[in-house]
Amino acid sequence: DAEITQSPRHKITETGRQVTLACHQTWNHNNMFWYRQDLGHGLRLIHYSYGVQDTNKGEVSDGYSVSRSNTEDLPLTLESAASSQTSVYFCASSGVAGADTQYFGPGTRLTVL
Amino acid sequence: QKEVEQDPGPLSVPEGAIVSLNCTYSNSAFQYFMWYRQYSRKGPELLMYTYSSGNKEDGRFTAQVDKSSKYISLFIRDSQPSDSATYLCAMRTGANSKLTFGKGITLSVRP
Repeated sequence: DAEITQSPRHKITETGRQVTLACHQTWNHNNMFWYRQDLGHGLRLIHYSYGVQDTNKGEVSDGYSVSRSNTEDLPLTLESAASSQTSVYFCASSGVAGADTQYFGPGTRLTVL
Repeated sequence: QKEVEQDPGPLSVPEGAIVSLNCTYSNSAFQYFMWYRQYSRKGPELLMYTYSSGNKEDGRFTAQVDKSSKYISLFIRDSQPSDSATYLCAMRTGANSKLTFGKGITLSVRP
Protein backbone atom coordinates (compact mmCIF):
# COMPACT_ATOMS: atom_id res chain seq x y z
CA ASP A 1 0.00 0.00 0.00
CA ALA A 2 1.12 3.55 -0.72
CA GLU A 3 2.13 5.55 2.31
CA ILE A 4 3.94 8.60 3.60
CA THR A 5 6.64 8.17 6.23
CA GLN A 6 8.63 10.57 8.37
CA SER A 7 11.89 10.11 10.21
CA PRO A 8 12.95 10.43 12.87
CA ARG A 9 9.73 10.22 14.87
CA HIS A 10 11.32 11.98 17.83
CA LYS A 11 14.36 14.24 17.89
CA ILE A 12 16.07 16.23 20.62
CA THR A 13 18.70 18.72 19.55
CA GLU A 14 20.50 21.78 20.84
CA THR A 15 20.12 25.40 19.89
CA GLY A 16 22.22 26.32 16.87
CA ARG A 17 22.51 22.84 15.39
CA GLN A 18 21.37 22.00 11.89
CA VAL A 19 18.58 19.44 11.78
CA THR A 20 17.03 17.63 8.82
CA LEU A 21 13.66 15.92 8.98
CA ALA A 22 12.92 13.35 6.31
CA CYS A 23 9.65 12.81 4.45
CA HIS A 24 9.12 10.00 1.94
CA GLN A 25 5.94 9.17 0.05
CA THR A 26 5.12 6.28 -2.24
CA TRP A 27 1.87 7.75 -3.61
CA ASN A 28 3.76 9.23 -6.58
CA HIS A 29 2.18 12.56 -5.67
CA ASN A 30 3.48 15.74 -7.26
CA ASN A 31 2.58 17.95 -4.30
CA MET A 32 4.30 17.80 -0.93
CA PHE A 33 3.91 20.01 2.12
CA TRP A 34 5.52 20.62 5.49
CA TYR A 35 3.51 21.89 8.46
CA ARG A 36 4.20 22.55 12.08
CA GLN A 37 1.52 22.09 14.72
CA ASP A 38 1.54 24.02 17.97
CA LEU A 39 -1.06 24.42 20.68
CA GLY A 40 -3.18 27.45 19.96
CA HIS A 41 -1.94 27.80 16.39
CA GLY A 42 -3.17 24.69 14.64
CA LEU A 43 -1.39 23.56 11.49
CA ARG A 44 0.81 26.16 9.87
CA LEU A 45 2.38 25.73 6.46
CA ILE A 46 6.17 25.97 6.35
CA HIS A 47 7.14 25.09 2.77
CA TYR A 48 5.54 23.26 -0.11
CA SER A 49 6.47 21.85 -3.49
CA TYR A 50 4.40 21.22 -6.60
CA GLY A 51 7.01 19.05 -8.28
CA VAL A 52 10.70 18.24 -8.68
CA GLN A 53 12.89 21.35 -8.38
CA ASP A 54 9.89 23.42 -7.28
CA THR A 55 9.75 24.86 -3.76
CA ASN A 56 7.63 27.63 -2.23
CA LYS A 57 7.51 29.42 1.10
CA GLY A 58 4.53 29.05 3.39
CA GLU A 59 3.38 31.32 6.18
CA VAL A 60 6.13 30.37 8.69
CA SER A 61 9.17 29.67 6.51
CA ASP A 62 11.84 31.70 8.33
CA GLY A 63 14.63 29.43 9.59
CA TYR A 64 13.56 26.48 7.41
CA SER A 65 14.52 25.27 3.96
CA VAL A 66 13.51 22.44 1.63
CA SER A 67 14.74 20.98 -1.62
CA ARG A 68 13.00 18.59 -4.02
CA SER A 69 15.32 16.44 -6.08
CA ASN A 70 12.87 13.62 -6.76
CA THR A 71 9.14 12.93 -6.55
CA GLU A 72 9.25 10.82 -3.39
CA ASP A 73 11.18 12.99 -0.94
CA LEU A 74 10.96 16.47 0.57
CA PRO A 75 13.45 16.88 3.44
CA LEU A 76 12.99 19.83 5.79
CA THR A 77 16.14 21.49 7.15
CA LEU A 78 16.36 23.75 10.15
CA GLU A 79 19.49 25.74 9.42
CA SER A 80 20.22 26.76 13.02
CA ALA A 81 17.68 25.29 15.42
CA ALA A 82 16.00 27.65 17.87
CA SER A 83 13.85 26.87 20.91
CA SER A 84 10.91 28.48 19.11
CA GLN A 85 11.12 25.64 16.59
CA THR A 86 10.19 23.05 19.20
CA SER A 87 7.05 21.61 17.68
CA VAL A 88 5.43 18.64 15.97
CA TYR A 89 6.17 18.58 12.26
CA PHE A 90 3.91 16.93 9.70
CA CYS A 91 4.62 16.16 6.11
CA ALA A 92 1.76 15.72 3.63
CA SER A 93 1.35 14.91 -0.03
CA SER A 94 -1.41 15.18 -2.60
CA GLY A 95 -2.18 14.67 -6.26
CA VAL A 96 -3.20 17.48 -8.58
CA ALA A 97 -6.78 16.55 -9.45
CA GLY A 98 -9.72 18.46 -8.01
CA ALA A 99 -10.83 15.67 -5.74
CA ASP A 100 -7.34 14.98 -4.46
CA THR A 101 -6.58 16.00 -0.94
CA GLN A 102 -3.63 15.81 1.39
CA TYR A 103 -2.46 12.65 3.11
CA PHE A 104 -0.41 13.21 6.23
CA GLY A 105 2.55 11.41 7.68
CA PRO A 106 2.72 10.34 11.34
CA GLY A 107 4.68 13.41 12.45
CA THR A 108 8.08 14.19 13.96
CA ARG A 109 8.23 15.57 17.49
CA LEU A 110 11.20 17.95 17.66
CA THR A 111 12.56 19.42 20.87
CA VAL A 112 15.22 22.13 20.74
CA LEU A 113 17.02 22.65 24.05
CA GLN B 1 -9.59 38.27 10.86
CA LYS B 2 -8.13 34.87 10.03
CA GLU B 3 -9.28 33.25 6.82
CA VAL B 4 -10.73 30.26 8.67
CA GLU B 5 -12.17 30.41 12.18
CA GLN B 6 -13.07 27.34 14.19
CA ASP B 7 -14.64 27.13 17.64
CA PRO B 8 -11.70 26.52 20.01
CA GLY B 9 -13.39 24.07 22.36
CA PRO B 10 -12.70 21.70 23.96
CA LEU B 11 -16.02 19.93 23.68
CA SER B 12 -17.18 17.10 25.92
CA VAL B 13 -20.38 15.14 25.23
CA PRO B 14 -21.96 11.92 26.51
CA GLU B 15 -21.95 8.83 24.34
CA GLY B 16 -24.86 8.81 21.89
CA ALA B 17 -25.07 12.61 21.62
CA ILE B 18 -25.28 14.47 18.34
CA VAL B 19 -22.20 16.63 17.86
CA SER B 20 -22.04 19.75 15.72
CA LEU B 21 -18.66 21.18 14.74
CA ASN B 22 -18.44 24.42 12.81
CA CYS B 23 -16.09 26.64 10.87
CA THR B 24 -16.55 30.03 9.28
CA TYR B 25 -14.40 31.52 6.59
CA SER B 26 -13.87 34.87 4.93
CA ASN B 27 -12.49 33.97 1.49
CA SER B 28 -15.39 33.53 -0.91
CA ALA B 29 -13.04 31.83 -3.39
CA PHE B 30 -12.88 28.65 -1.29
CA GLN B 31 -14.52 25.81 -3.20
CA TYR B 32 -13.15 22.60 -1.67
CA PHE B 33 -13.96 21.81 1.94
CA MET B 34 -12.62 19.03 4.12
CA TRP B 35 -12.79 17.74 7.64
CA TYR B 36 -9.79 15.97 9.10
CA ARG B 37 -9.73 13.87 12.26
CA GLN B 38 -6.57 13.67 14.32
CA TYR B 39 -6.10 11.20 17.13
CA SER B 40 -3.61 11.99 19.86
CA ARG B 41 0.00 11.76 18.66
CA LYS B 42 -1.07 10.85 15.12
CA GLY B 43 -1.22 12.68 11.80
CA PRO B 44 -4.51 14.13 10.56
CA GLU B 45 -6.60 11.82 8.39
CA LEU B 46 -9.25 12.87 5.90
CA LEU B 47 -12.76 12.30 7.22
CA MET B 48 -15.05 14.13 4.82
CA TYR B 49 -14.62 16.00 1.56
CA THR B 50 -17.13 18.30 -0.14
CA TYR B 51 -16.92 20.33 -3.29
CA SER B 52 -18.91 23.58 -3.34
CA SER B 53 -22.20 23.81 -1.44
CA GLY B 54 -24.46 21.07 -0.17
CA ASN B 55 -24.49 18.09 2.13
CA LYS B 56 -22.54 14.88 2.15
CA GLU B 57 -23.28 11.91 4.35
CA ASP B 58 -21.03 9.01 5.28
CA GLY B 59 -22.37 6.71 7.95
CA ARG B 60 -22.75 8.67 11.18
CA PHE B 61 -21.02 11.73 9.70
CA THR B 62 -22.62 14.54 7.69
CA ALA B 63 -20.74 17.49 6.23
CA GLN B 64 -22.61 20.64 5.26
CA VAL B 65 -21.36 23.60 3.29
CA ASP B 66 -23.26 26.90 3.08
CA LYS B 67 -21.25 29.11 0.77
CA SER B 68 -23.72 31.99 1.01
CA SER B 69 -23.05 32.22 4.75
CA LYS B 70 -19.39 31.10 4.46
CA TYR B 71 -20.09 28.39 7.02
CA ILE B 72 -19.32 24.69 7.12
CA SER B 73 -20.40 22.08 9.63
CA LEU B 74 -19.67 18.51 10.57
CA PHE B 75 -22.38 16.53 12.36
CA ILE B 76 -21.67 13.31 14.19
CA ARG B 77 -24.69 11.20 15.09
CA ASP B 78 -24.71 8.62 17.88
CA SER B 79 -21.27 9.73 19.00
CA GLN B 80 -18.92 7.05 20.31
CA PRO B 81 -15.89 7.19 22.62
CA SER B 82 -13.82 6.25 19.54
CA ASP B 83 -14.83 9.63 18.04
CA SER B 84 -12.74 11.36 20.70
CA ALA B 85 -10.15 13.26 18.68
CA THR B 86 -9.27 16.69 17.35
CA TYR B 87 -11.28 17.75 14.31
CA LEU B 88 -9.85 20.24 11.85
CA CYS B 89 -11.68 21.94 9.04
CA ALA B 90 -9.70 22.76 5.91
CA MET B 91 -10.46 24.43 2.62
CA ARG B 92 -8.84 25.55 -0.60
CA THR B 93 -9.68 27.71 -3.57
CA GLY B 94 -8.61 25.59 -6.52
CA ALA B 95 -7.93 22.01 -7.42
CA ASN B 96 -4.19 22.34 -6.95
CA SER B 97 -3.97 25.09 -4.34
CA LYS B 98 -2.76 24.77 -0.78
CA LEU B 99 -5.06 24.08 2.13
CA THR B 100 -6.02 26.58 4.80
CA PHE B 101 -6.81 24.95 8.14
CA GLY B 102 -8.86 25.93 11.14
CA LYS B 103 -7.10 25.57 14.48
CA GLY B 104 -9.02 22.43 15.37
CA ILE B 105 -11.39 21.49 18.17
CA THR B 106 -10.81 18.64 20.59
CA LEU B 107 -13.85 16.43 21.15
CA SER B 108 -14.21 14.04 24.05
CA VAL B 109 -17.08 11.53 24.08
CA ARG B 110 -17.75 10.22 27.59
CA PRO B 111 -18.89 6.57 27.92
